[in-house]
Amino acid sequence: DAGITQSPRYKITETGRQVTLMCHQTWSHSYMFWYRQDLGHGLRLIYYSAAADITDKGEVPDGYVVSRSKTENFPLTLESATRSQTSVYFCASSESYEQYFGPGTRLTVT
Amino acid sequence: EDQVTQSPEALRLQEGESSSLNCSYTVSGLRGLFWYRQDPGKGPEFLFTLYSAGEEKEKERLKATLTKKESFLHITAPKPEDSATYLCAAAARGANNLFFGTGTRLTVIP
Repeated sequence: DAGITQSPRYKITETGRQVTLMCHQTWSHSYMFWYRQDLGHGLRLIYYSAAADITDKGEVPDGYVVSRSKTENFPLTLESATRSQTSVYFCASSESYEQYFGPGTRLTVT
Repeated sequence: EDQVTQSPEALRLQEGESSSLNCSYTVSGLRGLFWYRQDPGKGPEFLFTLYSAGEEKEKERLKATLTKKESFLHITAPKPEDSATYLCAAAARGANNLFFGTGTRLTVIP
């Protein structure tokens, strides 16, 4: 089915471990985004990408790394996970102004 | 500083009891104002985009309106299936990301 998918949907990891969250879209949208959603903060932008090999920081980029070698994929890596990175992570894609979101990944760092 | 504020945080309505949700925004040159619906455990689902003051958009029991400082999401004769969190977001001039409010959690009681 066309759309945007995220994997895994749930992840539990330990402090200090590296974790990669995957995002895949089938619309060939130019823009892709990573947000985190925390109670009381709403959705906050971590990183975004305007095209393959073009990425830029959002509001809360510290501790995260992204890459975009192909238009359809936009993985998010936590290089050394911390408890403060426990959150729900959403990937989104866009071709104009409207952004379309994936189902989310719930990450718990113990 | 670009900011989006939503009120109330939570709203309980009887089925058929119409009401409005508020979204106040402060952004540098509004490019668009967006409304999303989010069900528990899912990603935000796009509802509307409004581009200029005076514009209105409708979808079933929902109508979104926009002024120069705020947007309203009017819900007419709501049903229990309208229960969800409604998110408002704004896009500023020169920015590729959206600034999200923290949402209004709507509960419609049968």
